[in-house]
Amino acid sequence: GAVVSQHPSRVICKSGTSVKIECRSLDFQATTMFWYRQFPKQSLMLMATSNEGSKATYEQGVEKDKFLINHASLTLSTLTVTSAHPEDSSFYICSARIGGSSQPQHFGDGTRLSIL
Amino acid sequence: LAKTTQPISMDSYEGQEVNITCSHNNIATNDYITWYQQFPSQGPRFIIQGYKTKVTNEVASLFIPADRKSSTLSLPRVSLSDTAVYYCLVGDPKAAGNKLTFGGGTRVLVKP
Repeated sequence: GAVVSQHPSRVICKSGTSVKIECRSLDFQATTMFWYRQFPKQSLMLMATSNEGSKATYEQGVEKDKFLINHASLTLSTLTVTSAHPEDSSFYICSARIGGSSQPQHFGDGTRLSIL
Repeated sequence: LAKTTQPISMDSYEGQEVNITCSHNNIATNDYITWYQQFPSQGPRFIIQGYKTKVTNEVASLFIPADRKSSTLSLPRVSLSDTAVYYCLVGDPKAAGNKLTFGGGTRVLVKP
């Protein structure tokens, strides 16, 4: 089945650091990938839609200059949390799907980001 | 995007069948119904997807009535490892972008 890989699985860093998270579709091409954020005991919240070769579409309330998304190829999207602060600590999850089909989205295993 | 409503939590015992019903009154003609399972500190895992009537795979069954305004995920003979949060989502998988909006999910606790 379709596999989505996310890296790293856990990051702990100091406040003010920028952190990059990678999301790869391992066995299929994904023209669209999605980035979610999940706080403890809460559901997933969609942050942005990452489109290959074009600008990402951000959900209302998500700062595009804070969360930089680059979808440079059909198998890789990156999310960079710039100048991270403790309130950015969360579980970040990406998903991808095979374009143009009725196949469901497949999710990565998430990245736990802890800002000290 | 069609909104979904699920019970917040359900308790069950090992070996029992668990049925989780999801309401989606505003489902659109091209929308599919998809269920995901999520364990703590992991990404959601696809369980099953359907459009109408009944779909069955090796882990679950999905029942969808004719009006498609609700659906029921059936987990046969659950085990302790089935303790997780289950999400029902509705959307058009073929639509450009195909955003999925997660509701609160159903927290299933399987007891010994």
